[in-house]
Amino acid sequence: QKEVEQNSGPLSVPEGAIASLNCTYSDRGSQSFFWYRQYSGKSPELIMSIYSNGDKEDGRFTAQLNKASQYVSLLIRDSQPSDSATYLCASWAGNMLTFGGGTRLMVKP
Amino acid sequence: KAGVTQTPRYLIKTRGQQVTLSCSPISGHRSVSWYQQTPGQGLQFLFEYFSETQRNKGNFPGRFSGRQFSNSRSEMNVSTLELGDSALYLCASSFLEAGSSPLHFGNGTRLTVT
Repeated sequence: QKEVEQNSGPLSVPEGAIASLNCTYSDRGSQSFFWYRQYSGKSPELIMSIYSNGDKEDGRFTAQLNKASQYVSLLIRDSQPSDSATYLCASWAGNMLTFGGGTRLMVKP
Repeated sequence: KAGVTQTPRYLIKTRGQQVTLSCSPISGHRSVSWYQQTPGQGLQFLFEYFSETQRNKGNFPGRFSGRQFSNSRSEMNVSTLELGDSALYLCASSFLEAGSSPLHFGNGTRLTVT
């Protein structure tokens, strides 16, 4: 069974620090990767998508993809308390989108 | 642009009953995917419909079924409800097949089976 693995956390960082969230996937055929943020009691919302090796930056967020090592990461710079949420990683290998279990991030003021 | 709309937001049913959930995708999106989310299992894929055809199906029993209409709206049906079906059911739409373009989620339907 194809899997996407994330550390469930919680990952605790102080306000203003860099939060680093990691995700590994088992299907070498995975082509597209997504990071979603889910606040408690809310539905997931898309933060970033990444399709090729390397870094992709959007504001305070940077997604990094390394297909050879089969991992995806999300960096959040200048973390804010409002970033406290569960972050879901998802991969797509041409058939269905598979989600990891999510990492809970806590940003402390 | 209106987002993904799911109705109803909350449902309480008893074991053995059946339930139908509805999802209206973002205008222009042809793919609708359904997920079940529980604290223990996370987001579990149920099925995806694209242009009225079921494209993929997750590992759920046949009690879970769905369909998509010509206007891309989708319904999900669960028959013979079990206590373990209590969950948040999320619908998501995308312009292309799920994964080749990002998913946009609705607010979900919270189903409680007693």
